[in-house]
Amino acid sequence: DTAVSQTPKYLVTQMGNDKSIKCEQNLGHDTMYWYKQDSKKFLKIMFSYNNKELIINETVPNRFSPKSPDKAHLNLHINSLELGDSAVYFCASSQDVGLGDTGELFFGEGSRLTVL
Amino acid sequence: GQQLNQSPQSMFIQEGEDVSMNCTSSSIFNTWLWYKQDPGEGPVLLIALYKAGELTSNGRLTAQFGITRKDSFLNISASIPSDVGIYFCAGPWGGNTPLVFGKGTRLSVIA
Repeated sequence: DTAVSQTPKYLVTQMGNDKSIKCEQNLGHDTMYWYKQDSKKFLKIMFSYNNKELIINETVPNRFSPKSPDKAHLNLHINSLELGDSAVYFCASSQDVGLGDTGELFFGEGSRLTVL
Repeated sequence: GQQLNQSPQSMFIQEGEDVSMNCTSSSIFNTWLWYKQDPGEGPVLLIALYKAGELTSNGRLTAQFGITRKDSFLNISASIPSDVGIYFCAGPWGGNTPLVFGKGTRLSVIA
């Protein structure tokens, strides 16, 4: 069983479209995250959710909206896609807010979004 | 803004060689973490450091938490082809905050 799973793995779409990426974790963790990795491989935090509450929202355009139906799921919805949104989006989870006991984030395999 | 500086940006080494990379910050960190990202995968935790001066090993990997709490290094001994990937340092910027990541060191191993 995959600990953190995201779908789709690849997504190619036109500018202006709306798309969603889904994430599920089966680790029983309380906190989930979305990270964006650009073409230079920089990993940047976008959102953090703890027990279904948004606790961090970095300077991300409001076209991006995380939705968490329960603590095992954190989906990312993106409206009006732009060329600059092309990147790999990683979902992650941790036992506790920020770090927990081990400092370990468990990452999904990533969803590569290409906006044409 | 939050910044962790990693060096070198990339390395090309021969199989069997030892590797050293480091990470510095302008601010104090209470935790240093080293992650590895294989191609097409998400990052995976290699080593976590929680105390200034701490030296921790995980197989051929050794990492140290700098005394000043503003730096950390990662050493890989006797590199093998599967060591190829991007190595990230990471830490919490403060309090209960998500991890911030360095820009990564891309390691290539030539057999």
